[in-house]
Amino acid sequence: EADIYQTPRYLVIGTGKKITLECSQTMGHDKMYWYQQDPGMELHLIHYSYGVNSTEKGDLSSESTVSRIRTEHFPLTLESARPSHTSQYLCASRGRAKNIQYFGAGTRLSVL
Amino acid sequence: AQSVAQPEDQVNVAEGNPLTVKCTYSVSGNPYLFWYVQYPNRGLQFLLKYITGDNLVKGSYGFEAEFNKSQTSFHLKKPSALVSDSALYFCAVRVLVNAGNNRKLIWGLGTSLAVNP
Repeated sequence: EADIYQTPRYLVIGTGKKITLECSQTMGHDKMYWYQQDPGMELHLIHYSYGVNSTEKGDLSSESTVSRIRTEHFPLTLESARPSHTSQYLCASRGRAKNIQYFGAGTRLSVL
Repeated sequence: AQSVAQPEDQVNVAEGNPLTVKCTYSVSGNPYLFWYVQYPNRGLQFLLKYITGDNLVKGSYGFEAEFNKSQTSFHLKKPSALVSDSALYFCAVRVLVNAGNNRKLIWGLGTSLAVNP
């Protein structure tokens, strides 16, 4: 098991609320990623970072934002949640030596 | 356009029988190929990868995959399925993002494997 953690695991929230999904890894990985996944569906890359102070948008347009102030921490923020944001969000990280992405357990978000 | 295809939404096998989950790809250059598994209410777990070398790659939980360059396939296999193998399986290919050295994973849609007792 890789040391990458996501909190909360489940979140039910009302429309218009600001939320932050946390992702932390203790492996010292430079590269980190956020994916959005609807149940039983493919993963869509929404953000990635190649190191501190580096963030890029992924393939799928997302209203969320991310920050990378510390190597181990890559939080994702939604300023104003909407029902269309209901999905599962998966965080991953990758070190330099291995070509493997390690995934967190995910956050299942429901916006009412 | 570069793509990954998993032609089967669902695969059903009886416990003890061999299983195959199919993956084909269309990318330029020599791809890095991966299989991940997602158990219910869990994140994705890495199963195995192919980068170079022997076309038959062995991974976790008794799974293996065969890289076939001429058919551009990377099918996942297991000689004897277990009920606990029931999960969602994703094939992914690492490709160049642009002319630079940045790379990303392109993911298949996933195949739901159901192993019946």
